[in-house]
Amino acid sequence: DGGITQSPKYLFRKEGQNVTLSCEQNLNHDAMYWYRQDPGQGLRLIYYSQIVNDFQKGDIAEGYSVSREKKESFPLTVTSAQKNPTAFYLCASSITGWVELSNQPQHFGDGTRLSIL
Amino acid sequence: EDQVTQSPEALRLQEGESSSLNCSYTVSGLRGLFWYRQDPGKGPEFLFTLYSAGEEKEKERLKATLTKKESFLHITAPKPEDSATYLCAVRGTGRRALTFGSGTRLQVQP
Repeated sequence: DGGITQSPKYLFRKEGQNVTLSCEQNLNHDAMYWYRQDPGQGLRLIYYSQIVNDFQKGDIAEGYSVSREKKESFPLTVTSAQKNPTAFYLCASSITGWVELSNQPQHFGDGTRLSIL
Repeated sequence: EDQVTQSPEALRLQEGESSSLNCSYTVSGLRGLFWYRQDPGKGPEFLFTLYSAGEEKEKERLKATLTKKESFLHITAPKPEDSATYLCAVRGTGRRALTFGSGTRLQVQP
């Protein structure tokens, strides 16, 4: 079955440590996204990528970094500069990210819950 | 700036008691309004896309409608398995990703 796989499901970060969240999709989608979800708040966009080797900052990119070396993979690194990293992180993909075709739905993985030790 | 407001924040229904969830939005050039269902500890599951005012879509006990300012998710004769958080999101012209509301937590009691 096609889908989006996020790993690990739970992750703990120590002070001063960088951690990387994995996101893999086999839907052959061009666009991929990272969102952060905090209790009682809507999903907020961290980074997105419309195509391989391209990515753009979202609304809350500070303290995060990404790469898009392969179409199916879009890992997110939470750096030590992110002072409040505890949240539920969601990866999504869509057929295309281009505005002209932007009415395509995004499909989500099952998330990674990051906590501070 | 695109904005989405969902109400109520939480809703408790008895099994079979129909109701509606509201999603009010402001967006520059609506490209699509999306409804998702999210179960605890899971990612959002896509339900519907609505593109223009007057459009309606149905899936089992759920029906989504759209006006120029808001969308409603009508739940007819809900069952306990409909319990979840329902998220509304919009995509406007020039924005590459979705703007989400904070969701409505629905609990359906047997």
